[in-house]
Amino acid sequence: GAGVSQSPSNKVTEKGKDVELRCDPISGHTALYWYRQRLGQGLEFLIYFQGNSAPDKSGLPSDRFSAERTGESVSTLTIQRTQQEDSAVYLCASSAAGGSYNEQFFGPGTRLTVL
Amino acid sequence: KQEVTQIPAALSVPEGENLVLNCSFTDSAIYNLQWFRQDPGKGLTSLLLIQSSQREQTSGRLNASLDKSSGRSTLYIAASQPGDSATYLCAVRRSQGAGSYQLTFGKGTKLSVIP
Repeated sequence: GAGVSQSPSNKVTEKGKDVELRCDPISGHTALYWYRQRLGQGLEFLIYFQGNSAPDKSGLPSDRFSAERTGESVSTLTIQRTQQEDSAVYLCASSAAGGSYNEQFFGPGTRLTVL
Repeated sequence: KQEVTQIPAALSVPEGENLVLNCSFTDSAIYNLQWFRQDPGKGLTSLLLIQSSQREQTSGRLNASLDKSSGRSTLYIAASQPGDSATYLCAVRRSQGAGSYQLTFGKGTKLSVIP
């Protein structure tokens, strides 16, 4: 079926506002990942969901960041009280399972600009 | 902590030339290494995935090699075309332990192929 989709593709917000970013993984993929790519930097891991297990939130940069996933489908990344340093491209990926051998497939990303 | 370095950061070549992109990583305990292509405004497209037990992988005009012991990988592009212009990212996955599903990325090499 279709690949990983993300919405919106672009988001411009004012400092201090909350934003929600959405990810639709490939159907049947049980593992879902969020990464962040700031200008001039490599992709940074944020959070990982695998089935009904507790998510690995070790990459979230602050408690202003949170994410949810409904079962094995859609995930939402929420950033509260946005700061200018949150400006980045947020990429979502999914894989058939969370094991090391499973290739991750990436969505097109959401470009977040905080003014 | 795993660190991935890509050299050069940018490369410009005339059409038809063969070229090599380099990737190095500090921790050789990897499960696999993946090369991605990133086009502006688009997500990551997986090009080649090399398991740690493999030495190389080929797909069309692309050939990726892996020398795990020395912490190096190269991506060879034959007969480059303007359509190859993109940013090429290298990512490694840890072989075991906490966070082994995470990909650690380099900052990428921006390739421009001049017609």
